[in-house]
Parts: sequence; C-alpha cells; structure tokens
Amino acid sequence: SQTIHQWPATLVQPVGSPLSLECTVEGTSNPNLYWYRQAAGRGLQLLFYSVGIGQISSEVPQNLSASRPQDRQFILSSKKLLLSDSGFYLCATRVGGPSTDTQYFGPGTRLTVL
Amino acid sequence: AQSVAQPEDQVNVAEGNPLTVKCTYSVSGNPYLFWYVQYPNRGLQFLLKYITGDNLVKGSYGFEAEFNKSQTSFHLKKPSALVSDSALYFCAVRARGANNLFFGTGTRLTVIP
Repeated sequence: SQTIHQWPATLVQPVGSPLSLECTVEGTSNPNLYWYRQAAGRGLQLLFYSVGIGQISSEVPQNLSASRPQDRQFILSSKKLLLSDSGFYLCATRVGGPSTDTQYFGPGTRLTVL
Repeated sequence: AQSVAQPEDQVNVAEGNPLTVKCTYSVSGNPYLFWYVQYPNRGLQFLLKYITGDNLVKGSYGFEAEFNKSQTSFHLKKPSALVSDSALYFCAVRARGANNLFFGTGTRLTVIP
C-alpha cells in the first residue's frame, strides 16, 4: 500500500518569505498527485494536480506554484508568502484503476504566515 | 459541473444512537462518491466509496452509506455512535473520466457521552 510523507509538519513564516513544502509517495509508481489547502478547518480547495513528471495543472490562480521533479515527489512553493496563504496543506495521491480508484491523503503541513 | 452539498455544518448525537451525515451531489453521468473523516490536525482518512453495484456500501469503523440515484444523495450512517466518532466528515464526488475530486464543506460530528 502507498504511504504519503509531508514535511515539515508545521511551519511559521513571515509575510514575504519564500515557501517550499514537500510531498513524497512510497509504494506506488506514476501516481496522480494533488495539493489541497484547507482553511479554518473546513473545506478543501484543490490547488494543483499532476499526472506525471513535469506536468502541473493549476486549479486556482494565486501566489503559489507546484513542481514535480521526480515521479513520486511533489513540491509546493511560493516566492513571497501572503497572510492569506496560512492554512493546512494536504498532499494526496490517487490509487487504482477505474473500479478501485481512491484518493489518499498525507498527514498535512500546517502553515502560519505572520 | 460537479458539486457536493453537505447541508449540516454540525451534527450532534448521543452515544449509542444512530447517526446520519447528509450529502447530496451534482455531476454529469454516473458518479464516484466518497466519504472521508478528519481528526484534528490530521490528514483526511478514507472511509468508504461507491463506484458501482450495490447501493449500500460498507466501510471502515462500522460506517456505511447508501447511494440514492433518484435523490442524488449519498448519506453516511452508523447504527450506534461512539464518542471516538467525533470528527469532521467530508463527502466527495468525481465524475467518471475526471481527474479531480470535489469536496463538500464538511460536517462536524459531535457524539455526546
């Protein structure tokens, strides 16, 4: 079965500083990978997804970018953080074919921008 | 367009009583439907899914959900609630052939001892 790692677990950054959050996946190859943000402990907002190395789809135009330098590595970045970037960031992978297709989530990174 | 509605922000139920968390969806064609649970400061955990077949789906921790195509609903149920079931529950839908899940806004379940 697959395992999703995210780090760091928590992060406090000043406004205007850069950001790099990392997600790695074990136990599966060529996964679909996703970045979500959850604000205020409620709804999830899909930020980016990737179906392969170097392939990134952006769902919401904003202050963030994503990259997939390796098959099982997905990175979320920002050059200058805003207060509104605070939230709980979740990485997810999609596993299985048409009849077993399920999305699994990592443990998350809580980002506080001050 | 795909969408999911969880009409209740908060559900309170006494321990030992049955619980229901409601979800309705809108999607073109036949949907994939999912329920996830989130404990504080944790990632989402998969509970169950409906892909095809039997409309009653059984999942983890004694939860089940019934797919009702005519009412476009996928309500989560459990016959006897536990205090440890207290958490945030998310319903999600994906259209067949699509890459992404659409999530509801979540329902906070509190089981009262």
